[in-house]
Amino acid sequence: EDKVVQSPLSLVVHEGDTVTLNCSYEVTNFRSLLWYKQEKKAPTFLFMLTSSGIEKKSGRLSSILDKKELFSILNITATQTGDSAVYLCAVGTGTGNQFYFGTGTSLTVIP
Amino acid sequence: EPEVTQTPSHQVTQMGQEVILRCVPISNHLYFYWYRQILGQKVEFLVSFYNNEISEKSEIFDDQFSVERPDGSNFTLKIRSTKLEDSAMYFCASNQDYPDTQYFGPGTRLTVL
Repeated sequence: EDKVVQSPLSLVVHEGDTVTLNCSYEVTNFRSLLWYKQEKKAPTFLFMLTSSGIEKKSGRLSSILDKKELFSILNITATQTGDSAVYLCAVGTGTGNQFYFGTGTSLTVIP
Repeated sequence: EPEVTQTPSHQVTQMGQEVILRCVPISNHLYFYWYRQILGQKVEFLVSFYNNEISEKSEIFDDQFSVERPDGSNFTLKIRSTKLEDSAMYFCASNQDYPDTQYFGPGTRLTVL
């Protein structure tokens, strides 16, 4: 069964647009939610979220977690072509250090 | 900046052969992981390792797979008898604490013919 669901599956926007990527999850013993950016290689870390309602921000990217409704969003403002990538959401559980990944959202930013 | 390294970057093997994929996690990290990603599919958890033993493993990690930390730096994944469906990108990751940021290595692309 799917434990981590990301939406949309893909997205095409123009440079300068703002995008919101969604990640919902259903796991036992939630410990953390991580966002990664994957280009044609290994995932690179963006954010780790453990507490509800606290926004993490890095430049044009920001993310927030809602542990009551079991979802997180990743916002990218003023998108650039370099933001084109697959964005992965992963949820870590407390039972033995296991991480569940979503299928990712493929973002394409058109000049 | 410290990074996770993996060797080889690409391995081609015949079905039924054994392969060993190698990883050097970041030196002060304590938690180690192997993931695989079949082309076009999502990243799948294989196994986590802490304090010289497996913490958790997925259904994918059957008796054909094993992990080892033979010395203070290397972390290996062995596939005893490879199958065609083992063809995938294999990522090693590590973190210092749990929960904590996981750092991924560049991956080893395994091709089973």
